[in-house]
Amino acid sequence: GESVGLHLPTLSVQEGDNSIINCAYSNSASDYFIWYKQESGKGPQFIIDIRSNMDKRQGQRVTVLLNKTVKHLSLQIAATQPGDSAVYFCAENRPGTASKLTFGTGTRLQVTL
Amino acid sequence: KAGVTQTPRYLIKTRGQQVTLSCSPISGHRSVSWYQQTPGQGLQFLFEYFSETQRNKGNFPGRFSGRQFSNSRSEMNVSTLELGDSALYLCASSASGQGGTEAFFGQGTRLTVV
Repeated sequence: GESVGLHLPTLSVQEGDNSIINCAYSNSASDYFIWYKQESGKGPQFIIDIRSNMDKRQGQRVTVLLNKTVKHLSLQIAATQPGDSAVYFCAENRPGTASKLTFGTGTRLQVTL
Repeated sequence: KAGVTQTPRYLIKTRGQQVTLSCSPISGHRSVSWYQQTPGQGLQFLFEYFSETQRNKGNFPGRFSGRQFSNSRSEMNVSTLELGDSALYLCASSASGQGGTEAFFGQGTRLTVV
């Protein structure tokens, strides 16, 4: 039968503001998480990762927060720029699954001028 | 250092045909994973290879297969193509095969089945 497109939540942010993208992950045993950015027509681009023994990690203009109690990840982008417009995915890796990543559905970030 | 390279970038095939896609991982990376991305299902894991051995497999039919060569380059094959196989096929490479390490993706191969 026909497949229905996934409904991607959209976050619209003004240039210069901070963005917060949220992700609920599925397995409490997951111990490694990655955020990816995917622009139209391109493959996912690694942004930042975090292990389950941490609750916060910072990169350049990005911060990832991990709340294991409620199985929640967030990606904060400071001073959002037009080039940040893309779809953002969180991915989880579970012990015993080698390098297999399980992806969330994604969030579309639109940066308005 | 070169990134993950996938060839070809675009492919159009007819139902019933077969197709082979290629992935060259980052130099020194020994783990290669394949994913299918569609608007309906999102990003779904196909399989992973490490040191020429398949270590993990997703929930796809046997028409989807892969292999890895001694230089870590990987190929995936889809036989008896169906319209629903139209998708972006992505390859990711990791240095370690143990999980918990950064995985970097290629640009993907856009397969259209007509």
